[in-house]
Amino acid sequence: GNSVTQMEGPVTLSEEAFLTINCTYTATGYPSLFWYVQYPGEGLQLLLKATKADDKGSNKGFEATYRKETTSFHLEKGSVQVSDSAVYFCALVNTGFQKLVFGTGTRLLVSP
Amino acid sequence: NAGVTQTPKFQVLKTGQSMTLQCAQDMNHNSMYWYRQDPGMGLRLIYYSASEGTTDKGEVPNGYNVSRLNKREFSLRLESAAPSQTSVYFCASPPGNLETQYFGPGTRLLVL
Repeated sequence: GNSVTQMEGPVTLSEEAFLTINCTYTATGYPSLFWYVQYPGEGLQLLLKATKADDKGSNKGFEATYRKETTSFHLEKGSVQVSDSAVYFCALVNTGFQKLVFGTGTRLLVSP
Repeated sequence: NAGVTQTPKFQVLKTGQSMTLQCAQDMNHNSMYWYRQDPGMGLRLIYYSASEGTTDKGEVPNGYNVSRLNKREFSLRLESAAPSQTSVYFCASPPGNLETQYFGPGTRLLVL
């Protein structure tokens, strides 16, 4: 079946540090991949997406590259800010299975 | 344009009580979804409605019922609440392309 595995958190960083949050997936065919962000007390917002192999999604300084050979979609940011503190969810949707499948989420805490 | 709205924001129930969670969207989308979010579990799909007049079960439908009242509204009902239903409930609605799901702010439910 379809599944998404994320690294467990929390990830604790100082401001301006480099961020990586790992995400790997299992799916048949060619899924689309997403990162969502959830700020405290709010719903989820789409952060970025990639719809085919080798695509790079980017938004607000965050990037993730769709790697089919390693079935991965790791989230990166070169210099995090305190305002990036949130929970990040990796997700996929597969052709013919029109429902989002979410990972368990990774909490990021950035200190000044 | 409010997007997706949910009521109530917070509710405490006793075991065996019933309640209905309300969701409305003003984006004229066909599809609407109900998820629950639990620590370490990510988001799990309870029910969804692909269009007005249709509903389908997701991963965890037991103990819930839904009604797609019209194109705007999709309600989730707990007939006899159990402590295992303590969770945060999110309603979401995508446009035609599934990936950009718009989420409501959530309903935090505590069942004692």
